[in-house]
Amino acid sequence: EVQVVESGGGLVQPGGSLRLSCTVSGFTFRDHAMSWFRQAPGKGLEWVAFIRRKDYGGTAEYAASVKGRFIISRDDSKSIAYLQMHSLKTEDTAVYYCSREGSIAGRYYDSWGQGTLVTVSS
Amino acid sequence: DIVLTQTPLSSPVALGQPASISCTSSQGLVFSDGNTYLSWLHQRPGQPPRLLIYKISDRFSGVPDRFSGSGAGTDFTLKISRVEAEDVGVYYCMQTTQFPHAFGQGTKVEIK
Repeated sequence: EVQVVESGGGLVQPGGSLRLSCTVSGFTFRDHAMSWFRQAPGKGLEWVAFIRRKDYGGTAEYAASVKGRFIISRDDSKSIAYLQMHSLKTEDTAVYYCSREGSIAGRYYDSWGQGTLVTVSS
Repeated sequence: DIVLTQTPLSSPVALGQPASISCTSSQGLVFSDGNTYLSWLHQRPGQPPRLLIYKISDRFSGVPDRFSGSGAGTDFTLKISRVEAEDVGVYYCMQTTQFPHAFGQGTKVEIK
């Protein structure tokens, strides 16, 4: 069974940093690209960051709203994707979801975690 | 950047009746490989999103056949043939043809 579990959320002051983890099981992690998404309270879904498989370069893409502040990475030996967040702003407050790209051929996101809440407030 | 616009934003539907949601893209979504990477997801309150449809019309594993997707170019539609109580929630279209990935604003489906 595919499982995706986010962790690392919490309360942080503006300007602070936080690292989120996305631990997966039930599939071969290195064979899948991964993305982070977020959802501000009462709002819609927003894509945040994407990381390719290592055999496709392992490179990353970012939303303009987080580029230069957030870094996505992956540890295939541990089946974990990370989202390092710096210079956090109040508008970064959201539930952060991790999801795998189910298939390069389909470019869809088929397995989502329950999310982890990040609150940026003084 | 691509912008996806969904209509309506709210859809009260009686049980057993059909529902339809439109998603219009600001640009064509055909990728260089000829595919159109437009998905539909459903989110119930307090739950993560769940994939329903990908590549316009491919139904994901386990998704009931009352859900169907159609469209081409910049105009796409999700249809529910007969709404059931478990179908309430917010529906999102999403494009993964190019970065940044983008979602529509969401359409809230509720039982009338």
